[in-house]
Amino acid sequence: AQSVTQLDSQVPVFEEAPVELRCNYSSSVSVYLFWYVQYPNQGLQLLLKYLSGSTLVKGINGFEAEFNKSQTSFHLRKPSVHISDTAEYFCAVSDSGGYQKVTFGTGTKLQVIP
Amino acid sequence: NAGVTQTPKFQVLKTGQSMTLQCAQDMNHEYMSWYRQDPGMGLRLIHYSVGAGITDQGEVPNGYNVSRSTTEDFPLRLLSAAPSQTSVYFCASSRQGAAEQFFGPGTRLTVL
Repeated sequence: AQSVTQLDSQVPVFEEAPVELRCNYSSSVSVYLFWYVQYPNQGLQLLLKYLSGSTLVKGINGFEAEFNKSQTSFHLRKPSVHISDTAEYFCAVSDSGGYQKVTFGTGTKLQVIP
Repeated sequence: NAGVTQTPKFQVLKTGQSMTLQCAQDMNHEYMSWYRQDPGMGLRLIHYSVGAGITDQGEVPNGYNVSRSTTEDFPLRLLSAAPSQTSVYFCASSRQGAAEQFFGPGTRLTVL
């Protein structure tokens, strides 16, 4: 079985400051890792994904994440946040074969303060 | 392309009533899934399908039925609604062999 832990339920940060949203996972098999973003009253949208290869993954809107296999982490970072980044962010993990059942974390609400 | 569409956007039911949440995708994706989202719990998989005629249970299937008669459609049926089914429901689709899921806008369901 796989699981995802997002330790921070809410992260307030001032506009133009850097931010890191933490994600740790557990799995006994090879995994794919994702970050999704959910703006208010909308569905989820893929921010970035790690399937294989380079452990530093760049996504949309200036976000990036680094896969660290030894620490089983996939933290999301942005060097300078904007008001428009205010949203809820979900880390997710899936098996790398067949139908990839996706397990989601509980989400981190990013609040950007003007 | 409309992507993944869901109807209705909002629904209020009384305990014991039944209803069907509709989901359709126009991307010819093989895989489709239903999730429910509850505060502080992330998204939990209810049922999924890997192709027309093939469905399976997810993490929280009790009280829900699904069928997949076509590639495009994947309706979710609530057999006898309970207040514990008050939630936001999301449908998602993905291409076989690809990892990215595409989500619909969601249906907000309240059961009184």
